Amino acid sequence: AQSVSQHNHHVILSEAASLELGCNYSYGGTVNLFWYVQYPGQHLQLLLKYFSGDPLVKGIKGFEAEFIKSKFSFNLRKPSVQWSDTAEYFCAVNAGGTYKYIFGTGTRLKVLA
Amino acid sequence: EAQVTQNPRYLITVTGKKLTVTCSQNMNHEYMSWYRQDPGLGLRQIYYSMNVEVTDKGDVPEGYKVSRKEKRNFPLILESPSPNQTSLYFCASIDSGENTIYFGEGSWLTVV
Repeated sequence: AQSVSQHNHHVILSEAASLELGCNYSYGGTVNLFWYVQYPGQHLQLLLKYFSGDPLVKGIKGFEAEFIKSKFSFNLRKPSVQWSDTAEYFCAVNAGGTYKYIFGTGTRLKVLA
Repeated sequence: EAQVTQNPRYLITVTGKKLTVTCSQNMNHEYMSWYRQDPGLGLRQIYYSMNVEVTDKGDVPEGYKVSRKEKRNFPLILESPSPNQTSLYFCASIDSGENTIYFGEGSWLTVV
């Protein structure tokens, strides 16, 4: 069965610090990978997605993620976080050709001004 | 504007009193889904629908029902709510061409 692991449940950073959130998945076939963000009191919004091609994908608000197939990982990065990045971040995977999405348990990021 | 609209956004109800959370999308998507979000558990899929009159169970369907009589609407029904269904619920609609999920604003449900 597919699963998604986000190892960091809570992360606290100061503004301008670099961010890396881990995401590992288990599935042997073709996958599509996503990062969603949920700002306080809001619904989830797509940050970025990977289907194929260049394993380094860039999303909105300066975020990027790298797909490393050999490690089954899709880590989210941002070189310099801002206070407004305070939110919960969810990694998600779906098997290619399906619309079944598996979400990780989320990582709560707090950025201190 | 692309939208997924859920109602009610906030509800406190009592055990056993039937309730329905409505969901409507204006993007003509075929695929819709319901999730619940609980602390430490992330989002878990309750039910999904591939098209009108086509629905199927997700990972946590117990205690819930759905219907899909029209493409735009996908209501979630709790026939006899219990306190363990206290949660934040999200309706979602999927653009199959872009493989992108559009989420509703969420419905906070408390069952006492």
